[in-house]
Amino acid sequence: DAKTTQPNSMESNEEEPVHLPCNHSTISGTDYIHWYRQLPSQGPEYVIHGLTSNVNNRMASLAIAEDRKSSTLILHRATLRDAAVYYCILSALVTGNQFYFGTGTSLTVIP
Amino acid sequence: GAVVSQHPSWVICKSGTSVKIECRSLDFQATTMFWYRQFPKQSLMLMATSNEGSKATYEQGVEKDKFLINHASLTLSTLTVTSAHPEDSSFYICSASTTSGVYEQYFGPGTRLTVT
Repeated sequence: DAKTTQPNSMESNEEEPVHLPCNHSTISGTDYIHWYRQLPSQGPEYVIHGLTSNVNNRMASLAIAEDRKSSTLILHRATLRDAAVYYCILSALVTGNQFYFGTGTSLTVIP
Repeated sequence: GAVVSQHPSWVICKSGTSVKIECRSLDFQATTMFWYRQFPKQSLMLMATSNEGSKATYEQGVEKDKFLINHASLTLSTLTVTSAHPEDSSFYICSASTTSGVYEQYFGPGTRLTVT
């Protein structure tokens, strides 16, 4: 059961920051927040994950709300290669770490 | 690191035949593997969870006798679609994870199945 809500689509200009929102109001204390992205006819690619604190890696930043009911994936400078469907997923190791994908956000990057 | 491969990348079969798809973790030991199905312009749907040496756990609505999953080693899981029908045509994706405290799933490139 998908437990996250994301906008169906977003657009961004190339080289500008992109903020992709995700609502997960029913998140439990043991749920991790994962972000993956998928290009057409490819398997999903890991972007970032977090539990409570904001996270940064070479690809993106993850900002988690204090109440953990929402999060935002931040791409600091969008490139054409960032055009993909972005999925926000909750999972918990204690229940088997299953991923239930929602509809995701299709990101279009405008040159 | 953390590379997952699938074979074949695409397959065409006739209705009524069976097809086997392999999923391998190339540089790590995958204690758990997952199988997903994705129809065109739709999201991924989890089909089953497979732990090495154990029977797979299937999601509600997935026929276990039709989609046979074997996870015989820490680097290989197979999905066999038995008596395939055109409605089984889809993009099948596997993923793998470990119990080393890393929570990510590493996804394979997917297998495109077309049943004629």
